[in-house]
Amino acid sequence: QSALTQAPSASGSPGQSVTISCTGSSSDVGGYNYVSWYQQHPGKAPKLIIYEVTKRPSGVPDRFSGSKSGNTASLTVSGLQAEDEADYSCSSYAGSNNLVFGGGTKLTVL
Amino acid sequence: EVQLVQSGAEVKKPGESLKISCKGSGYSFTTYWIGWVRQMPGKGLEWMGIISPGDSDTRYSPSFEGQVTITADKSISTAYLQWNSLKDSDTAMYYCARPRPGQWLIDYWGQGTLVTVSS
Repeated sequence: QSALTQAPSASGSPGQSVTISCTGSSSDVGGYNYVSWYQQHPGKAPKLIIYEVTKRPSGVPDRFSGSKSGNTASLTVSGLQAEDEADYSCSSYAGSNNLVFGGGTKLTVL
Repeated sequence: EVQLVQSGAEVKKPGESLKISCKGSGYSFTTYWIGWVRQMPGKGLEWMGIISPGDSDTRYSPSFEGQVTITADKSISTAYLQWNSLKDSDTAMYYCARPRPGQWLIDYWGQGTLVTVSS
C-alpha cells in the first residue's frame, strides 16, 4: 500500500483556476469511488472539502470541484481566493478498512 | 455535537513507552470505527490504522503493523494509540479521525496530539 502521488506544490493568481492531481493504482483510486480531498491550514486539523470523487459537503464553496479518470483523481479550485492558500491532500479507500493518503500539495495564491 | 478530544502534547525520550488517547462524545461510540493518522513535521497525512470500538476489530496499514498498537475502551468512549519503544522518527502530530461508514470520508477529526521524541 503506497501513498498516493501528488505534486508538492501548486500556485495561481487570485481569480485563476488551479488543478491538483492525485495518482494511485487500481487497488485504490481506480478501484473505488471513495476519493476525498482535505484542506489543511497551518496548525489546524484537516477539513473535508470533497468526498466520493465529486461531492461537496454542506458549506464548501462550489469553487471546489473533483473528478477522476482511471487511477488519477483531481481537485480543481476555481476563482482562487487568498484564503484558499493551504495544503490539500487526497485520500482513497484501499480495501480491508484501510485508507491511503497522498503526500499533500501546498497551494500558494500569488 | 460530535467531538473527538485528544490527550495533550508529550515529550519523550527514545526507548520510552507512550499511550495517547482520543475520547469521543456526542454520538454512539461503538457504532463508528476510529482511525489514527500521522503527520510528520512538514509532511503529508499517513493512515495508521483503525479500530471498531464495539468489538475491538483492528486493522493496521502495512507501514504501521507491528510498530504501534491501537486499542479502545468502550466503557469510557476512548480510543488509544500506543508505542512500546519510541524512536526519534515517531516525532509527529497524531490525529484521531472518525470515517463515515460506507463512504470512507473523514468528517470528524480530533485536535491532534503532538508527540516529540528526543534525547
